[in-house]
Amino acid sequence: EPEVTQTPSHQVTQMGQEVILRCVPISNHLYFYWYRQILGQKVEFLVSFYNNEISEKSEIFDDQFSVERPDGSNFTLKIRSTKLEDSAMYFCAREKTASSTDTQYFGPGTRLTVL
Amino acid sequence: DAKTTQPPSMDCAEGRAANLPCNHSTISGNEYVYWYRQIHSQGPQYIIHGLKNNETNEMASLIITEDRKSSTLILPHATLRDTAVYYCIVRTGNQGGKLIFGQGTELSVKP
Repeated sequence: EPEVTQTPSHQVTQMGQEVILRCVPISNHLYFYWYRQILGQKVEFLVSFYNNEISEKSEIFDDQFSVERPDGSNFTLKIRSTKLEDSAMYFCAREKTASSTDTQYFGPGTRLTVL
Repeated sequence: DAKTTQPPSMDCAEGRAANLPCNHSTISGNEYVYWYRQIHSQGPQYIIHGLKNNETNEMASLIITEDRKSSTLILPHATLRDTAVYYCIVRTGNQGGKLIFGQGTELSVKP
């Protein structure tokens, strides 16, 4: 199974601050995803990203969120002004082709704590 | 919403086979059945997936009924490290298809 790396493993921030979560790419994986999991709740889809564009986003992914892959390097999730309810585990997932015959591989996650 | 139904919890004795059921009665013809598991708050781990034929890999076997309305994940010799939440997911056939997680089945493997 391909290894997916995320940084940082844990981020503590004050409410209203901006945070950037990073996912390290694998060269032949073209599709990227962000999911989140609030403590004790389901894993929820946030956004999918392909060819430097958002493919799909959920209702959770509002104007406070953005994603990018600057210069083909790390895939990032930015939260502009964090709220208490943004506290969660954030998982990056990657995939080669995003077809139903392929597989999404998840990273270990970043635990975001908003105080 | 998730298109699958799973029992919330199951127990299994260590060394025995764990059989985890999943109902997906509204599955479409081009949708695959995926199984992932999550140990504590770690990232979901891919186990296996299939369309209509039974599948087997080094981790598990997937048995899909002929009408494709249900499936069973089989861990042939469960160990304590298999204790986790297991998710059955039906995935759309479109490119960039998201995974929609339900509540899953919490499997407890006991000595």
